[in-house]
Amino acid sequence: DTGVSQNPRHKITKRGQNVTFRCDPISEHNRLYWYRQTLGQGPEFLTYFQNEAQLEKSRLLSDRFSAERPKGSFSTLEIQRTEQGDSAMYLCASSPPGQGVKPQHFGDGTRLSIL
Amino acid sequence: EDQVTQSPEALRLQEGESSSLNCSYTVSGLRGLFWYRQDPGKGPEFLFTLYSAGEEKEKERLKATLTKKESFLHITAPKPEDSATYLCAVNSGNTPLVFGKGTRLSVIA
Repeated sequence: DTGVSQNPRHKITKRGQNVTFRCDPISEHNRLYWYRQTLGQGPEFLTYFQNEAQLEKSRLLSDRFSAERPKGSFSTLEIQRTEQGDSAMYLCASSPPGQGVKPQHFGDGTRLSIL
Repeated sequence: EDQVTQSPEALRLQEGESSSLNCSYTVSGLRGLFWYRQDPGKGPEFLFTLYSAGEEKEKERLKATLTKKESFLHITAPKPEDSATYLCAVNSGNTPLVFGKGTRLSVIA
Protein backbone atom coordinates (compact mmCIF):
# COMPACT_ATOMS: atom_id res chain seq x y z
CA ASP A 1 0.00 0.00 0.00
CA THR A 2 1.93 3.00 -1.29
CA GLY A 3 -0.68 5.61 -0.43
CA VAL A 4 -2.24 8.36 -2.54
CA SER A 5 0.37 10.24 -4.55
CA GLN A 6 -0.05 13.83 -5.77
CA ASN A 7 2.16 15.84 -8.10
CA PRO A 8 3.48 18.44 -8.08
CA ARG A 9 3.66 19.18 -4.35
CA HIS A 10 3.92 22.90 -4.97
CA LYS A 11 2.93 25.06 -7.94
CA ILE A 12 3.52 28.79 -8.30
CA THR A 13 2.00 30.51 -11.30
CA LYS A 14 0.91 33.88 -12.54
CA ARG A 15 -2.72 34.94 -12.61
CA GLY A 16 -4.38 33.93 -15.86
CA GLN A 17 -2.22 30.86 -16.50
CA ASN A 18 -3.54 27.30 -16.70
CA VAL A 19 -2.38 24.63 -14.24
CA THR A 20 -2.84 20.86 -14.05
CA PHE A 21 -2.43 18.57 -11.05
CA ARG A 22 -2.15 14.79 -11.00
CA CYS A 23 -3.39 12.25 -8.46
CA ASP A 24 -2.50 8.54 -8.34
CA PRO A 25 -4.89 6.75 -5.95
CA ILE A 26 -4.18 3.67 -3.87
CA SER A 27 -4.23 0.68 -6.21
CA GLU A 28 -7.59 -1.11 -6.36
CA HIS A 29 -9.40 1.94 -4.96
CA ASN A 30 -12.16 2.64 -7.47
CA ARG A 31 -13.39 5.89 -5.92
CA LEU A 32 -11.43 9.13 -6.22
CA TYR A 33 -12.21 12.54 -4.75
CA TRP A 34 -10.84 16.07 -5.11
CA TYR A 35 -11.04 18.58 -2.26
CA ARG A 36 -9.74 22.12 -1.75
CA GLN A 37 -8.44 23.42 1.58
CA THR A 38 -7.60 26.99 2.55
CA LEU A 39 -5.78 28.11 5.70
CA GLY A 40 -7.75 27.51 8.88
CA GLN A 41 -10.54 25.63 7.10
CA GLY A 42 -11.41 21.99 6.64
CA PRO A 43 -11.26 20.43 3.17
CA GLU A 44 -14.16 21.33 0.84
CA PHE A 45 -15.45 18.81 -1.70
CA LEU A 46 -14.91 19.57 -5.40
CA THR A 47 -15.68 16.43 -7.41
CA TYR A 48 -15.90 12.62 -7.25
CA PHE A 49 -15.20 9.71 -9.63
CA GLN A 50 -16.24 6.10 -9.45
CA ASN A 51 -13.95 4.29 -11.86
CA GLU A 52 -13.79 6.57 -14.91
CA ALA A 53 -17.20 8.19 -14.41
CA GLN A 54 -17.44 11.64 -12.84
CA LEU A 55 -20.52 11.22 -10.67
CA GLU A 56 -20.72 14.41 -8.67
CA LYS A 57 -19.49 18.00 -8.83
CA SER A 58 -19.75 20.71 -6.18
CA ARG A 59 -21.40 24.04 -6.86
CA LEU A 60 -17.98 25.44 -5.88
CA LEU A 61 -16.53 24.03 -9.09
CA SER A 62 -16.66 26.84 -11.63
CA ASP A 63 -16.45 26.35 -15.39
CA ARG A 64 -12.70 27.05 -15.16
CA PHE A 65 -12.19 23.75 -13.34
CA SER A 66 -12.20 20.40 -15.08
CA ALA A 67 -11.28 16.95 -13.87
CA GLU A 68 -10.70 13.68 -15.68
CA ARG A 69 -9.97 10.11 -14.76
CA PRO A 70 -9.17 8.20 -17.97
CA LYS A 71 -9.35 4.43 -17.66
CA GLY A 72 -10.30 4.74 -14.01
CA SER A 73 -6.72 5.01 -12.79
CA PHE A 74 -4.98 8.34 -12.15
CA SER A 75 -6.87 11.63 -12.23
CA THR A 76 -6.03 15.16 -13.32
CA LEU A 77 -7.51 18.45 -12.15
CA GLU A 78 -7.05 21.45 -14.46
CA ILE A 79 -7.71 25.06 -13.58
CA GLN A 80 -7.91 27.46 -16.52
CA ARG A 81 -7.29 31.23 -16.29
CA THR A 82 -6.24 31.05 -12.66
CA GLU A 83 -7.38 33.75 -10.24
CA GLN A 84 -6.01 34.91 -6.88
CA GLY A 85 -8.86 33.12 -5.11
CA ASP A 86 -7.69 29.78 -6.50
CA SER A 87 -4.70 29.81 -4.14
CA ALA A 88 -5.22 26.81 -1.86
CA MET A 89 -4.14 23.25 -1.11
CA TYR A 90 -5.73 20.79 -3.54
CA LEU A 91 -6.19 17.39 -1.95
CA CYS A 92 -6.97 14.07 -3.58
CA ALA A 93 -8.44 11.09 -1.73
CA SER A 94 -9.42 7.54 -2.65
CA SER A 95 -11.55 4.83 -1.12
CA PRO A 96 -12.03 1.12 -1.86
CA PRO A 97 -15.05 -0.55 -3.47
CA GLY A 98 -17.68 -2.36 -1.44
CA GLN A 99 -20.89 -1.92 0.48
CA GLY A 100 -21.24 0.79 3.07
CA VAL A 101 -19.28 3.91 3.81
CA LYS A 102 -15.52 3.46 3.50
CA PRO A 103 -12.92 5.87 4.88
CA GLN A 104 -11.24 8.14 2.36
CA HIS A 105 -7.45 8.16 2.35
CA PHE A 106 -5.77 11.42 1.41
CA GLY A 107 -2.59 12.38 -0.39
CA ASP A 108 -0.36 15.21 0.82
CA GLY A 109 -1.85 17.65 -1.66
CA THR A 110 -0.66 20.19 -4.21
CA ARG A 111 -0.21 23.69 -2.83
CA LEU A 112 -1.10 26.29 -5.47
CA SER A 113 0.09 29.88 -5.16
CA ILE A 114 -1.13 32.54 -7.62
CA LEU A 115 1.13 35.56 -8.04
CA GLU B 1 -27.47 20.93 4.55
CA ASP B 2 -24.96 18.92 6.57
CA GLN B 3 -22.96 20.95 9.08
CA VAL B 4 -20.04 20.17 11.38
CA THR B 5 -18.80 22.43 14.20
CA GLN B 6 -15.63 21.66 16.10
CA SER B 7 -14.55 23.15 19.43
CA PRO B 8 -12.34 24.50 20.71
CA GLU B 9 -10.58 26.05 17.71
CA ALA B 10 -7.25 25.68 19.50
CA LEU B 11 -6.14 23.80 22.60
CA ARG B 12 -2.86 23.96 24.44
CA LEU B 13 -2.03 21.14 26.87
CA GLN B 14 0.88 20.22 29.06
CA GLU B 15 2.34 16.80 28.38
CA GLY B 16 0.27 14.27 30.32
CA GLU B 17 -2.76 16.59 30.69
CA SER B 18 -5.78 14.69 29.34
CA SER B 19 -8.60 16.51 27.52
CA SER B 20 -11.38 16.14 24.94
CA LEU B 21 -12.15 17.66 21.54
CA ASN B 22 -15.78 18.15 20.50
CA CYS B 23 -17.46 17.67 17.12
CA SER B 24 -21.13 18.68 16.86
CA TYR B 25 -22.98 17.74 13.70
CA THR B 26 -26.27 18.25 11.91
CA VAL B 27 -27.02 15.76 9.14
CA SER B 28 -30.09 14.37 7.43
CA GLY B 29 -29.07 10.79 8.16
CA LEU B 30 -25.65 9.89 9.49
CA ARG B 31 -23.91 7.05 7.67
CA GLY B 32 -20.49 7.62 9.19
CA LEU B 33 -18.46 10.08 11.25
CA PHE B 34 -14.73 10.26 10.62
CA TRP B 35 -11.79 11.62 12.59
CA TYR B 36 -8.57 12.64 10.85
CA ARG B 37 -5.26 14.05 12.02
CA GLN B 38 -3.49 16.64 9.88
CA ASP B 39 0.11 17.77 10.30
CA PRO B 40 1.28 21.08 8.75
CA GLY B 41 1.82 20.78 5.01
CA LYS B 42 0.39 17.24 4.90
CA GLY B 43 -2.90 15.68 3.93
CA PRO B 44 -5.39 14.41 6.52
CA GLU B 45 -4.48 11.03 8.03
CA PHE B 46 -7.41 8.71 8.78
CA LEU B 47 -7.91 7.82 12.46
CA PHE B 48 -11.42 6.43 13.11
CA THR B 49 -14.84 5.78 11.64
CA LEU B 50 -17.91 5.71 13.90
CA TYR B 51 -21.23 4.52 12.48
CA SER B 52 -23.84 4.62 15.25
CA ALA B 53 -24.56 6.29 18.59
CA GLY B 54 -22.87 4.55 21.48
CA GLU B 55 -19.97 3.30 19.39
CA GLU B 56 -16.40 3.82 20.64
CA LYS B 57 -13.00 3.31 18.97
CA GLU B 58 -9.52 3.47 20.52
CA LYS B 59 -6.01 3.83 19.19
CA GLU B 60 -3.06 4.38 21.49
CA ARG B 61 -3.82 7.56 23.49
CA LEU B 62 -6.92 8.44 21.44
CA LYS B 63 -10.51 7.37 22.02
CA ALA B 64 -13.45 8.47 19.88
CA THR B 65 -17.07 8.32 21.00
CA LEU B 66 -20.36 9.09 19.24
CA THR B 67 -23.82 10.27 20.32
CA LYS B 68 -26.76 11.31 18.14
CA LYS B 69 -25.61 14.93 18.09
CA GLU B 70 -21.86 14.96 18.70
CA SER B 71 -18.61 13.08 18.84
CA PHE B 72 -15.71 13.43 21.25
CA LEU B 73 -12.05 12.68 20.71
CA HIS B 74 -10.52 11.99 24.10
CA ILE B 75 -6.75 12.31 24.42
CA THR B 76 -5.24 10.56 27.42
CA ALA B 77 -1.81 11.61 28.73
CA PRO B 78 -0.85 13.37 25.47
CA LYS B 79 2.72 13.66 24.24
CA PRO B 80 4.28 16.44 22.13
CA GLU B 81 4.04 14.21 19.04
CA ASP B 82 0.24 14.35 19.37
CA SER B 83 0.39 18.02 18.36
CA ALA B 84 -1.60 18.43 15.12
CA THR B 85 -4.93 19.64 13.77
CA TYR B 86 -7.72 17.14 14.36
CA LEU B 87 -10.52 17.16 11.79
CA CYS B 88 -14.01 15.72 12.10
CA ALA B 89 -16.12 14.88 9.02
CA VAL B 90 -19.55 13.37 8.38
CA ASN B 91 -21.12 11.39 5.56
CA SER B 92 -24.89 11.39 5.25
CA GLY B 93 -25.33 9.24 2.19
CA ASN B 94 -24.10 11.90 -0.16
CA THR B 95 -20.72 10.87 -1.44
CA PRO B 96 -18.49 13.69 -0.25
CA LEU B 97 -17.37 14.21 3.30
CA VAL B 98 -18.37 17.44 5.05
CA PHE B 99 -15.57 18.62 7.32
CA GLY B 100 -15.39 20.90 10.32
CA LYS B 101 -12.69 23.54 10.59
CA GLY B 102 -10.63 21.44 12.96
CA THR B 103 -9.06 21.81 16.40
CA ARG B 104 -5.38 22.80 16.56
CA LEU B 105 -3.81 20.86 19.41
CA SER B 106 -0.45 21.84 20.91
CA VAL B 107 1.12 19.60 23.56
CA ILE B 108 3.94 21.24 25.48
CA ALA B 109 6.72 19.19 27.09
